[in-house]
This record gives sequence, structure tokens and C-alpha cells, in this order.
Amino acid sequence: VVLTQSPLSLPVTLGQPASISCRSSQGLVYGDGNTYLSWFQQRPGQSPRRLIYKVSDRDSGVPDRFSGSGSGTDFTLKISRVEAGDVGVYFCMQGTLWPWTFGQGTKVEIK
Amino acid sequence: EVQLMESGGGLVQPGGSLRLSCVASGFAFGNYWMSWVRQAPGKGLEWVANINTDGSATVYVDSVKGRFTTSRDYTKNSLYLQMNSLTAEDTAVYYCARATGENSVDYWGQGTLVTVSS
Repeated sequence: VVLTQSPLSLPVTLGQPASISCRSSQGLVYGDGNTYLSWFQQRPGQSPRRLIYKVSDRDSGVPDRFSGSGSGTDFTLKISRVEAGDVGVYFCMQGTLWPWTFGQGTKVEIK
Repeated sequence: EVQLMESGGGLVQPGGSLRLSCVASGFAFGNYWMSWVRQAPGKGLEWVANINTDGSATVYVDSVKGRFTTSRDYTKNSLYLQMNSLTAEDTAVYYCARATGENSVDYWGQGTLVTVSS
């Protein structure tokens, strides 16, 4: 499964919203009815951190400024108000089909 | 606090072997599938392998099948990745991560760098 993210680079003004798209080459609904699409944040020099799982479930401790949505083959990560600490690369990942795959990443930077 | 600590990376010649280790703490290691994910310098993430809770089942990305083997030792709360026949394309930071019931990974280690070069 190929995950295609857009844009690959996203300059954002502090306090403004940001949106990242992740499109899958195949539908991601698993046999149990769930869609296993996750989002990760990788700050510069750090390991990835999961933000969202199963399309829209937010991990513990993740600010509610982050939200995930989508279905089928089209998914979106939204940041309602970008803060300086949000700078980094964001990856989507699918766990529906083997092998699990990641999108190529979207670099979020401050204008 | 969940912690994952990788070790064993380094410089190895093409065709060589290396064994990575990952020590887990802060959670019931035996209750979780575990994953290896790698990231080539300046590149994106690539899932490498998964191992089930009792080590009886493993799955690998095609590019490492037949060359890499993952295993686990409950007595040491440890995960391993044996890498053979290494090529320059295997150069990457290797992360171990805890797999979850949502077919995802939640906690990641800090990673260990493997460089394959002559």
C-alpha cells in the first residue's frame, strides 16, 4: 500500500491552522471494520511520537489542537492553531495491510 | 514509564552482520507485539519487522526477508534484530517500537544508527 502525503512542505504562520493530506493506493478498512491509519510527529532530532490512531483517536497527552479525519483512501491531519513546538515532520502510517507502510512525510515549519 | 533502549548499531562492511538489541521497561513486555522500524539518513520511515507476543510468529518487509531475523527474550525483557548480508541500502537509524492492538506502534526507542560502508 502506497501512502501519498501532500504537501511535502508546509510553511505555516503561528496561530494559523494547518492541514496535511494522506491518500492511500488501496482502501484501508480492515476485516473487523476498523481503519488502521495513524499519524506521527517527529520533531527535529527526536524519535517519532504517535498523535492519532484509527483515523481519529487521539493519544493520551496529545493536545486537542490535533485532529484526524477521513475514510476509505483519503485521510487528513489538522492542527487548529500551529505553535512553535509543532515544527517537525508528520507521517501517516497504515496498519491494515502487510507490510505496514508510511507516507513520505510532511515538513511543517514556521513562516 | 514506558522505555525502549536500542543498542548494537555501528559501522559494518557490506556483506557483514550486526545484531541489534532493545531493552524494554515500564510495561508488561510479554503482552505486546513488537516492531522494528528504520529511517535512512534524511529520509522517511520504513517498517521492517513485527514479532508476536510469544515469538512464534514474525513478519518482514520484502527487502529484508531471508536476511534479517527478529526474536525476543522474556527473561531479559529484550527484543533483537539479527541482520546479515548487509548492504548500503540498510544504512539507517533502527528503532524498536511497541506495537498495539490498533495495528500501530505507540512508544519508540531513541534509535541506533547502522552504517554499512567499506
